[in-house]
Amino acid sequence: EAGVAQSPRYKIIEKRQSVAFWCNPISGHATLYWYQQILGQGPKLLIQFQNNGVVDDSQLPKDRFSAERLKGVDSTLKIQPAKLEDSAVYLCASSRVPGAGEDYEQYFGPGTRLTVT
Amino acid sequence: AQKVTQAQTEISVVEKEDVTLDCVYETRDTTYYLFWYKQPPSGELVFLIRRNSFDEQNEISGRYSWNFQKSTSSFNFTITASQVVDSAVYFCALSEVPGNTPLVFGKGTRLSVIA
Repeated sequence: EAGVAQSPRYKIIEKRQSVAFWCNPISGHATLYWYQQILGQGPKLLIQFQNNGVVDDSQLPKDRFSAERLKGVDSTLKIQPAKLEDSAVYLCASSRVPGAGEDYEQYFGPGTRLTVT
Repeated sequence: AQKVTQAQTEISVVEKEDVTLDCVYETRDTTYYLFWYKQPPSGELVFLIRRNSFDEQNEISGRYSWNFQKSTSSFNFTITASQVVDSAVYFCALSEVPGNTPLVFGKGTRLSVIA
């Protein structure tokens, strides 16, 4: 079974530029999460989707961050305009919903390391 | 609000030593789940274990063991006879309903195993 795919793996941009990240979850996983991991800290949730609907975006800085999951599969996360403090690893994770199988752990992709200069 | 505290920022051990990583959590939920993830230098988070709040049995998997104590709100992780390949950042995490709610992570403990 293929894992969670993310691209690009690395991105360097200047502040005030825009950037987009892509995530392809594990096939059959209805729930998709985007986490932000700042250096030296644990991942922090940005947004959670179930199928193509948003479940929780309370910690997403909506003035500059946006995310979508069209057709309930792939997802993109966009930052516009980027700030220096957005430098972090952006992790995508997916899971089944309870009742859809015994395995409902969150599986993480390799992440996108963003550096804003 | 849920919170996970990993007080040990960095630990360094010599190969073959045993090491315990501490995790203390806070939650008001009566049902919750605890996790440990490993993050090697490659950056990907690797799932190690999930425990629910009703199951306080300790678990052993090879050189790994976990001690869950509800009375002290702790979920500690022990690696026996550590190896260089165990070098990574280890995260303890908490969630209400796996598959339905996000994980709340601690800040992680960086383990360095020296040959």
